[in-house]
Amino acid sequence: AQSVAQPEDQVNVAEGNPLTVKCTYSVSGNPYLFWYVQYPNRGLQFLLKYITGDNLVKGSYGFEAEFNKSQTSFHLKKPSALVSDSALYFCAVRDSWVGGYNKLIFGAGTRLAVHP
Amino acid sequence: DGGITQSPKYLFRKEGQNVTLSCEQNLNHDAMYWYRQDPGQGLRLIYYSQIVNDFQKGDIAEGYSVSREKKESFPLTVTSAQKNPTAFYLCASSIEGKNTEAFFGQGTRLTVV
Repeated sequence: AQSVAQPEDQVNVAEGNPLTVKCTYSVSGNPYLFWYVQYPNRGLQFLLKYITGDNLVKGSYGFEAEFNKSQTSFHLKKPSALVSDSALYFCAVRDSWVGGYNKLIFGAGTRLAVHP
Repeated sequence: DGGITQSPKYLFRKEGQNVTLSCEQNLNHDAMYWYRQDPGQGLRLIYYSQIVNDFQKGDIAEGYSVSREKKESFPLTVTSAQKNPTAFYLCASSIEGKNTEAFFGQGTRLTVV
């Protein structure tokens, strides 16, 4: 079965510094990977996805993610963090097409805290 | 505006009661999902539906039921059999397919009193 792991519960970074939120995956076949952000008491917002093609994917709000097949990783990055980026970030993968259905499976989430 | 609407935003349930959470989408998506989120945990899949009148159990379906009578609607009932229903519930929808992202509602926070 497909799975994703987010090894860090929390990431702390100073405003203006680059940030990285880590995600590793386990899939059989081609990976379909996603990043979402959640602000307190709100739903999840889609940031970006990797389907195929360039290993560097650009998304919303200045975020990008680097797909690395050999390391089975899909880390979320931003060159310069903002205090407003502080939120909960989720990595997700599409499950394989079993019986005509495919599920979206989420990691446990990483809390990003950007300090002024 | 296109999107997913969940209601109510906050819901209080007494012990032994069934409650129904509403989820409506006007995105013309075939697939809809219900997730449960507990503090400090990720999202766990309760039920999902790829088409009207069909749905599949997710990882934690016990104590929950759903229906999919219309493409736009996917209500979730939390039954009295659910032992620990206090949580944040999220509904999502997507175009059917492996490379499609899901769009989420704003969530319903259910508290048992």
